[in-house]
Amino acid sequence: GAGVSQTPSNKVTEKGKYVELRCDPISGHTALYWYRQSLGQGPEFLIYFQGTGAADDSGLPNDRFFAVRPEGSVSTLKIQRTERGDSAVYLCASSLIAGDYEQYFGPGTRLTVT
Amino acid sequence: AQRVTQPEKLLSVFKGAPVELKCNYSYSGSPELFWYVQYSRQRLQLLLRHISRESIKGFTADLNKGETSFHLKKPFAQEEDSAMYYCALFTGGGNKLTFGTGTQLKVEL
Repeated sequence: GAGVSQTPSNKVTEKGKYVELRCDPISGHTALYWYRQSLGQGPEFLIYFQGTGAADDSGLPNDRFFAVRPEGSVSTLKIQRTERGDSAVYLCASSLIAGDYEQYFGPGTRLTVT
Repeated sequence: AQRVTQPEKLLSVFKGAPVELKCNYSYSGSPELFWYVQYSRQRLQLLLRHISRESIKGFTADLNKGETSFHLKKPFAQEEDSAMYYCALFTGGGNKLTFGTGTQLKVEL
């Protein structure tokens, strides 16, 4: 079946602009995760949803970052007033249930802030 | 706080040679550890988990709580094993994975 999809695959934006990154999880997966991977680093946890609610947003770096999952399926990561330090690959993952060890990752969105 | 350390950024071995990718962790709770792999131009995927104690593609990893390690091993490297390998710690309370910085494995002919 279809895996986790993310759009766009690449996004170039100017410093100070607003961006939205979309994640479409595997159908039926109730848990959804966002990670950020900077160059030369492993993925770093940002936020996790169980259903529609953000169960853990402890990894969001500051209040410029926000994520939603209004219908418990598709999620959008929103970044306001982008900074050059936000440049990274943003990964989305989903799992069947919360606490399920296997997370299925999407291909990522490469964000470049100029 | 939890931490995963992979000391080698790059590991280069010859085909047929043994491979060991090192991973050490720091966590106050009961650890659940994983190895994820990313082949060239593919997405990150689970390779194996310590609780299943299985061998995947010839790779094994044993959790050593005394040494807080979860090293990935394979007796005979194959060219198709060339990839980026990430060790990850699952913290059940947070339902999140903490990743190491990764080791690039290059298998040379």
